[in-house]
Amino acid sequence: GNSVTQMEGPVTLSEEAFLTINCTYTATGYPSLFWYVQYPGEGLQLLLKATKADDKGSNKGFEATYRKETTSFHLEKGSVQVSDSAVYFCALSASGNTPLVFGKGTRLSVIA
Amino acid sequence: GAVVSQHPSWVICKSGTSVKIECRSLDFQATTMFWYRQFPKQSLMLMATSNEGSKATYEQGVEKDKFLINHASLTLSTLTVTSAHPEDSSFYICSAPTGDYGYTFGSGTRLTVV
Repeated sequence: GNSVTQMEGPVTLSEEAFLTINCTYTATGYPSLFWYVQYPGEGLQLLLKATKADDKGSNKGFEATYRKETTSFHLEKGSVQVSDSAVYFCALSASGNTPLVFGKGTRLSVIA
Repeated sequence: GAVVSQHPSWVICKSGTSVKIECRSLDFQATTMFWYRQFPKQSLMLMATSNEGSKATYEQGVEKDKFLINHASLTLSTLTVTSAHPEDSSFYICSAPTGDYGYTFGSGTRLTVV
């Protein structure tokens, strides 16, 4: 079945450091890929998405490129802020009406 | 954009009682609703998929008699945790597809059974 593997956390960075959170997937066909962010005590918010190979999703300084050849969708940000501290989930969808399959989540803590 | 309103945000109940969680789509018709459960510091696990006007489809290992899902209209899906026990304490989240590979999530319900 479909699955998502993302790097284990927690990740602790200093403010303005470069962030990479690795995500790889296993899926049949051509899934859509997502990054969601969850702040403490809250639900999930879509951070970015990509629906086909070589697409780059971007939002709030975060980027991720859909790499079919390496089945990856790594999340990057050039300069993190304290306000970026949250849990980040990589997810895939086989089609528009199927449930998302989530990775285990990566907790990011950014210290001033 | 498409919004799903989930209530209550948090609830504390006694063992043996039932709790109902509601998810309403405010500005679109949600023919499908996904229900997830999240344990502390863990990922979201799909519990079931509900479709308006038909029976819900439960994931393996989820007790359908304990977690009753109803999707009676295009704007309301409910999850009822029946005869709740402390091990049912968790964060429950609903999600609806919104088209164009989009999904919208409710804000979640933190259930504590004492």
